[in-house]
Formats: sequence, C-alpha cells, structure tokens
Amino acid sequence: EIMMTQSPATLSVSPGERATLSCRTSQSVSSNLAWYQQKPGQAPRLLIYDASTRATGIPARFSGSGSGTEFTLTISSLQSEDFAVYYCQQYNNWYTFGQGTKLEIK
Amino acid sequence: QVQLVESGGGVVQPGRSLRLSCAASGFTFSTYGMHWVRQTAGKGLEWVAIISYDVSHKYYADSVKGRFTISRDNSKNTLYLEMNSLRAEDTAVYYCAKRADGASNHFDSWGQGTLVTVSS
Repeated sequence: EIMMTQSPATLSVSPGERATLSCRTSQSVSSNLAWYQQKPGQAPRLLIYDASTRATGIPARFSGSGSGTEFTLTISSLQSEDFAVYYCQQYNNWYTFGQGTKLEIK
Repeated sequence: QVQLVESGGGVVQPGRSLRLSCAASGFTFSTYGMHWVRQTAGKGLEWVAIISYDVSHKYYADSVKGRFTISRDNSKNTLYLEMNSLRAEDTAVYYCAKRADGASNHFDSWGQGTLVTVSS
C-alpha cells in the first residue's frame, strides 16, 4: 500500500495570504495525484487532478505541482471560503488518501 | 449536473448486514466506473470498492474483502454496497464517487454521504 503523508497537519494563514500544502507518497505515483477540499458536513470536492490540472470551475488561485513522490497545493490569495480541510489522493496503485491538512484562519 | 445521493445508512448491531444505495443522475451512469469510499474521524478517508461500468470488474479493499459486495443496476442508475458481518470498525460515513472521464482514475464527483454506525 502506498502511504501518504500530508504536512502540516494544521496551517494557520491570514486571508489574502498564500498557503502552501505538501503531500508526500511512500513510492512514486508519477502524476497520478489529486487534491480535494472538504468543508464540515460536506463531501470532498475535487480541486486538482493529474497533479496540476484544475478541475472544472475551480478558481485559478488554486494550483498544484509535483511528480513522483513530492507534491504541493498552493492557494495564492486565501479567500474566506477556502478555509477547510485538504486531502491528497494517489490513484497510481489502487487508491489511498492523506490524513489531511486543516487550513484555518490566523 | 452530476448528482449522487446515498441512502440506507443507520445503526446496526455487530455481525448484522446493511445495504447502501447511491442514486445517480446528470450523467450517463452506465458508462462510468463507480466507487465507494468511507470516512472516519480516526482513519480518515479509505477507499472501499470499485465496480466497472459494465459490472465485469469488481475490486475491494483488504479490510472489507469477503464481507462487502459492490453492485450496480444500470437500468435504475443505482449503485449498491451490501455490507455483511459488520464490525465496529466499519462505522463511518460512506460516500459513493464517480470515476472521472478519460484515462485518469481520480474521482470527479461525490455524494453527500450516509452514516453507518455499528453498535450493540
């Protein structure tokens, strides 16, 4: 099983600032990685797939990068609606998810 | 637009069974693979099972293999998860999710989830 490690567990950022979230996999997943956003009481929402492709309707302030075992989700200028939990997921070898990064208002 | 609506969750005793349903609309259900994923506070998100668009392939996580069965009825646009021999550790919110278009295997749409509680 491919293990996923997200860091940090919690990130405190002020609105308007940049947020950088990291995801590391225990073995290479090529570019087969997605990022999801989840708000309380809601289902996960796809943000980024294939490591760097924004899903339909996702604002340009969200960007993904990386390949192999190291990946980054960047939110360029945080809006109030962006404070949520973010998960990475690999789909190169079955499917596993990271434990999440909680993005909170500073 | 794509809509996935789960139902069938509830409180069930250990060792008993439960069947979850996921009603799909807004896309051609019969042409997409579908997944079940569960979420707990302790273990986070865990993939459970996948079924191909034509029912020819079904795969399961080791944690549920032999106890859970994924199925679908393309005439009813509905996905199912039959859960047998339930354990306390199966307690979770269960989501159905749609496989994406094309060659990528990510999940592009999720339902709102249904809560399963296994407790005596």
